[in-house]
Amino acid sequence: GGIITQTPKFLIGQEGQKLTLKCQQNFNHDTMYWYRQDSGKGLRLIYYSITENDLQKGDLSEGYDASREKKSSFSLTVTSAQKNEMAVFLCASSIIPLPSSYEQYFGPGTRLTVL
Amino acid sequence: QQKVQQSPESLIVPEGAMTSLNCTFSDSASQYFAWYRQHSGKAPKALMSIFSNGEKEEGRFTIHLNKASLHFSLHIRDSQPSDSALYLCAVSRDNNRIFFGDGTQLVVKP
Repeated sequence: GGIITQTPKFLIGQEGQKLTLKCQQNFNHDTMYWYRQDSGKGLRLIYYSITENDLQKGDLSEGYDASREKKSSFSLTVTSAQKNEMAVFLCASSIIPLPSSYEQYFGPGTRLTVL
Repeated sequence: QQKVQQSPESLIVPEGAMTSLNCTFSDSASQYFAWYRQHSGKAPKALMSIFSNGEKEEGRFTIHLNKASLHFSLHIRDSQPSDSALYLCAVSRDNNRIFFGDGTQLVVKP
């Protein structure tokens, strides 16, 4: 089996600050994703990447940048943190579809608080 | 753009009850239909998926899919307190993007 690690686990920033979140996976999966989840709510796609150096915008890309430096890692940057923002950022990965599954595997999340 | 909607938003059931969660989608070319479960403070995890019309059962969990009516559901038989979680339905027409619903918060009371 594999694992997705996200760093940091908790991130506290100041309004206007640029903040970077990192994600690593050892599944050898091709596609990686960044989602934002507000408390008790669903997942909103920020960016995804289907291969190294590829970037595709999701529904919530404004205010964020992303970078797929290599197959195993995908970074997300909050370009200017908004005051009182609180959310969990989830990284996920998936493989080119097998006949039986399009499943995405998720990391444990980075919890962001902006003061 | 795919629209995925879940109902109800939240649900409280007694232990041992049958629980039914619903999901509608808008893209008739969708191929992958799944339920993910997220316990409080944890990552979402795929629970069950289905590709073709009909029903699929795994233990206490059953998915029903009706592509013509753009609807699928999850049924939990003999609900347990450990089933309490946020349930997210997921739909995709290709592997590169899955669209998630906003979730149903399920509480199973002992």
